[in-house]
Amino acid sequence: EDQVTQSPEALRLQEGESSSLNCSYTVSGLRGLFWYRQDPGKGPEFLFTLYSAGEEKEKERLKATLTKKESFLHITAPKPEDSATYLCAVQDTGGFKTIFGAGTRLFVKA
Amino acid sequence: SQTIHQWPATLVQPVGSPLSLECTVEGTSNPNLYWYRQAAGRGLQLLFYSVGIGQISSEVPQNLSASRPQDRQFILSSKKLLLSDSGFYLCAWSRPGTGELFFGEGSRLTVL
Repeated sequence: EDQVTQSPEALRLQEGESSSLNCSYTVSGLRGLFWYRQDPGKGPEFLFTLYSAGEEKEKERLKATLTKKESFLHITAPKPEDSATYLCAVQDTGGFKTIFGAGTRLFVKA
Repeated sequence: SQTIHQWPATLVQPVGSPLSLECTVEGTSNPNLYWYRQAAGRGLQLLFYSVGIGQISSEVPQNLSASRPQDRQFILSSKKLLLSDSGFYLCAWSRPGTGELFFGEGSRLTVL
C-alpha cells in the first residue's frame, strides 16, 4: 500500500537558519512526488513536482530533491513568511490517487 | 487562468441533518475533480474523484456521496451527518494526465 511519512512533525527556526524537511515514501510505481504549502485555514498550494531520482526543483528559498525512497525540501535562509505547513504527496502509476503525508509545520521566528 | 470556487466556507450542522458542499472550476474543460477531507494534524484523505460527468469513484465507504452534474461542477452530499463527519473539506482539480492538484479554499464543517 502506498504510504508517505513526513518528519519532523514541527520545526521551529530562527530567521536565516537553513534546514530540511524529510518525506519518506513507499509506492509500487512512482508517477510523481509533489510538495505543497498550506497556510492555516486555506487549501494547499502546489509548489513542485519531481518525477525521478536525482531530480531537483527550486523556487525562491525552497529546493526539493528526490531519491528512490525519500524527498527533501531544503529551506535556505528562511523568512517569517515561509511559516506554513508543508505537505508531501505521491501519485502512483495507477494515475488517479494522490496520497498525502501528515505534513511538517514550519515556524520561522524573526 | 483557471480558478476553483468552493462553498460554503464554514458551516455548523446538527447530527442527522443533510449536507451539500459545492465546487466549481473555471477556465478549463474536462478536469479531473477530487474531494479530500483533512482532520486536524493529519494528512489529506481522498474521498471521491471524478474523470468526467456522472463518473464518480469512491475511496472510503461512508455516509457521504458525490455527484458531477456538469463538467466543472462537483458536489459532496450526505443525507444524515455524523459527528465523525466534522472536518475540513477540500475540492481540487487536475488536468487529465497530470498529477498536480489545485485546491479550493476549503469548507470547514462542524457537526454538533
